[in-house]
Amino acid sequence: GAGVSQSPSNKVTEKGKDVELRCDPISGHTALYWYRQSLGQGLEFLIYFQGNSAPDKSGLPSDRFSAERTGGSVSTLTIQRTQQEDSAVYLCASSLAEAGEGYGYTFGSGTRLTVV
Amino acid sequence: GQQVMQIPQYQHVQEGEDFTTYCNSSTTLSNIQWYKQRPGGHPVFLIQLVKSGEVKKQKRLTFQFGEAKKNSSLHITATQTTDVGTYFCAGNNNDMRFGAGTRLTVKP
Repeated sequence: GAGVSQSPSNKVTEKGKDVELRCDPISGHTALYWYRQSLGQGLEFLIYFQGNSAPDKSGLPSDRFSAERTGGSVSTLTIQRTQQEDSAVYLCASSLAEAGEGYGYTFGSGTRLTVV
Repeated sequence: GQQVMQIPQYQHVQEGEDFTTYCNSSTTLSNIQWYKQRPGGHPVFLIQLVKSGEVKKQKRLTFQFGEAKKNSSLHITATQTTDVGTYFCAGNNNDMRFGAGTRLTVKP
């Protein structure tokens, strides 16, 4: 597609429920990041995928968080047993090369997750 | 792990005044990128710096990369209301880590 697409754009869920967030990167982009941004705050790194390499999961805050990237394209971020502190905007970004080498990242519009 | 610190957290200026945000890394970076996030929007890529001591300009914006490739700055000359937003640096050293951002507000 023309840009990075994220769905849903908004998600309200009850505490304890599982949620799945989807990211459809720009076609051909090998690098994909997930970040989390709380209101008025910076970008918190969650996970990084680069091609067929093992993902860098060092930013995932707990074992309730997991992510996968199928076929080197679409990625899903899953949060199990959601907690209120999980409420944030979840941003996905993709790039043509690894770690932004020579290329900037294109961000999606994010998924605003609210846990009630 | 890699840490990227950015200051100031907030900056409020009168239209026409200059603005600078600074970024410092705990480790040497392969490159650094700058992004702008408008209120309610998502980060948009501005520029990448790669070389030690590099300086790049985009109209009223001047970007610098330190000699040691551990710090960078973004300077805006004669701010306008359209410059409002949060400016983030992102340091690359095997992966990309963002600074906390500097939120710029401009009073007309």
